[in-house]
Amino acid sequence: KAGVTQTPRYLIKTRGQQVTLSCSPISGHRSVSWYQQTPGQGLQFLFEYFSETQRNKGNFPGRFSGRQFSNSRSEMNVSTLELGDSALYLCASSLMAGQPQHFGDGTRLSIL
Amino acid sequence: QQQVKQSPQSLIVQKGGISIINCAYENTAFDYFPWYQQFPGKGPALLIAIRPDVSEKKEGRFTISFNKSAKQFSLHIMDSQPGDSATYFCAASWATGNQFYFGTGTSLTVIP
Repeated sequence: KAGVTQTPRYLIKTRGQQVTLSCSPISGHRSVSWYQQTPGQGLQFLFEYFSETQRNKGNFPGRFSGRQFSNSRSEMNVSTLELGDSALYLCASSLMAGQPQHFGDGTRLSIL
Repeated sequence: QQQVKQSPQSLIVQKGGISIINCAYENTAFDYFPWYQQFPGKGPALLIAIRPDVSEKKEGRFTISFNKSAKQFSLHIMDSQPGDSATYFCAASWATGNQFYFGTGTSLTVIP
């Protein structure tokens, strides 16, 4: 069974640009969560989608948004990029709430 | 507010020794406590998880001890091996949500 797939693996952007990251969950998983990982703040929850609906949202500005498609694939968008947005963005999928989350290997976003 | 506090930040253990990582949580509504292992360049991988209805869970060399009254749980790695050298994260969530709160991570080094 294929794991969680995130694309692209690496991205370099400049301040003010926007970026879209993609996540394909494990087949059959309907819940997709996004996390930001930085050395200073650790793993921080961004948002969770289930059946195309955002169910939970972390404490991030509105520049961070996401969506989920009918096939459970999810995208995350960050607009007006700032230097502080440089991080590893991780996607995790699970069957449903309260079930084990399985992570992809992330997208490393660097802002110049 | 840090919902899950993890210690130590780093740990060095001799091969064959026992590695112990501790976590404490605030929210008594949490009812799912997983541990993740992360290698450089990879996403976190689920190692072992426990729910509060049991005080201990063992899988191979990995054991979680759970103390509900103290709101603490710990990971024990028996017969530690150099291949166990990685960063370990504890986490907590509740059954009705899929928002995981992570500890700040412990960098484990097992010396041959």
